[in-house]
Amino acid sequence: DAKTTQPPSMDCAEGRAANLPCNHSTISGNEYVYWYRQIHSQGPQYIIHGLKNNETNEMASLIITEDRKSSTLILPHATLRDTAVYYCIVRVAETSYDKVIFGPGTSLSVIP
Amino acid sequence: GAVVSQHPSRVICKSGTSVKIECRSLDFQATTMFWYRQFPKQSLMLMATSNEGSKATYEQGVEKDKFLINHASLTLSTLTVTSAHPEDSSFYICSARVSFGLAGITDTQYFGPGTRLTVL
Repeated sequence: DAKTTQPPSMDCAEGRAANLPCNHSTISGNEYVYWYRQIHSQGPQYIIHGLKNNETNEMASLIITEDRKSSTLILPHATLRDTAVYYCIVRVAETSYDKVIFGPGTSLSVIP
Repeated sequence: GAVVSQHPSRVICKSGTSVKIECRSLDFQATTMFWYRQFPKQSLMLMATSNEGSKATYEQGVEKDKFLINHASLTLSTLTVTSAHPEDSSFYICSARVSFGLAGITDTQYFGPGTRLTVL
């Protein structure tokens, strides 16, 4: 699986949009971009994923650049409960032994 | 969304004893489950991949005789830490893979809440 690079930490004011970047310059054509987050002492939570088109769900939006070498997770109106470590992962789906490998992620702090 | 449960959520045991952790997919079937370990202030580390009805595949450096994994049904996988020692104290997290979409074009893993193991 391709490696990803994320900033180790970010701050965001409550109510503002949180934009979390991820670089994945070696991504392959059949690899998806997945985002998870982990709130302290809990299991990771799936947020969103995409292949090449931008995606949006009730939690967040995922913007993938045209060359697919980077992406941005957008939390439109960050709340204190969004404080967590956010993981950007690229992986091939549709394989029997596909697995999610976690990097260090970005620790997002939402500030009142 | 899909729900994965773990039991127990927290366990304290004496050194030398064995501890079993259960991982269940509550509203879907999971042919593949994964076990992770997380030490304080570190990221999750994949320990093994569990496939229903077959032997687990362990990551390099993980002792298969110490961390026994059984995936006897499509909704249950168990991790047994045998002869636990204080260095095995950690946060253990399982995940289950859901297939959806057209012929499994995409899939998503959902994670359990984790089990905090403390070995005295």
